[in-house]
Amino acid sequence: AQRVTQPEKLLSVFKGAPVELKCNYSYSGSPELFWYVQYSRQRLQLLLRHISRESIKGFTADLNKGETSFHLKKPFAQEEDSAMYYCAGPWGSSNTGKLIFGQGTTLQVKP
Amino acid sequence: DVKVTQSSRYLVKRTGEKVFLECVQDMDHENMFWYRQDPGLGLRLIYFSYDVKMKEKGDIPEGYSVSREKKERFSLILESASTNQTSMYLCASSLRTRSGEQFFGPGTRLTVL
Repeated sequence: AQRVTQPEKLLSVFKGAPVELKCNYSYSGSPELFWYVQYSRQRLQLLLRHISRESIKGFTADLNKGETSFHLKKPFAQEEDSAMYYCAGPWGSSNTGKLIFGQGTTLQVKP
Repeated sequence: DVKVTQSSRYLVKRTGEKVFLECVQDMDHENMFWYRQDPGLGLRLIYFSYDVKMKEKGDIPEGYSVSREKKERFSLILESASTNQTSMYLCASSLRTRSGEQFFGPGTRLTVL
């Protein structure tokens, strides 16, 4: 079955340090994967999607087919990056509209 | 700007009560979703609707039902609330053509006593 796994519940870093939020998937081929973010007291929102290959708020994520990973990276963390991050991928065939979400990782950026 | 609204931010109910959670979106999205958000478990899909009166079960449909009579409104019903349904409930919507981009409501924190 398709699965998206985030192995870390909590990642704590100091401001200015590099950040890597891990996401592993169990799909075959090149799934369309996403990162969602939920800041404190805000609603969950899309951060970036792998197919667009864009950088949002300094974050990037590359699909690594060899390692079946889609890690979210930022070279220099800011305090405002503190949030809950979810990795997500398609549920079943890509056109069902449903997503599978990972367990989520809380990123804590300390001053 | 896409707007997804949920009827309540906080709700406290008693075991055995029937509970209705309402969700409305104003962007003519075909798809609507109900999730539970629990620490350490992530988001789990309860039900999905891809059109009016159409629905599919998600990961954890037991104890829940849904209703979609109008395109903009998707209701989650707990027929007989139980304490293990205490959770944060999130509604979301998306266009059929951009189904991975879901827009979320603010959530309803339900406590069942």
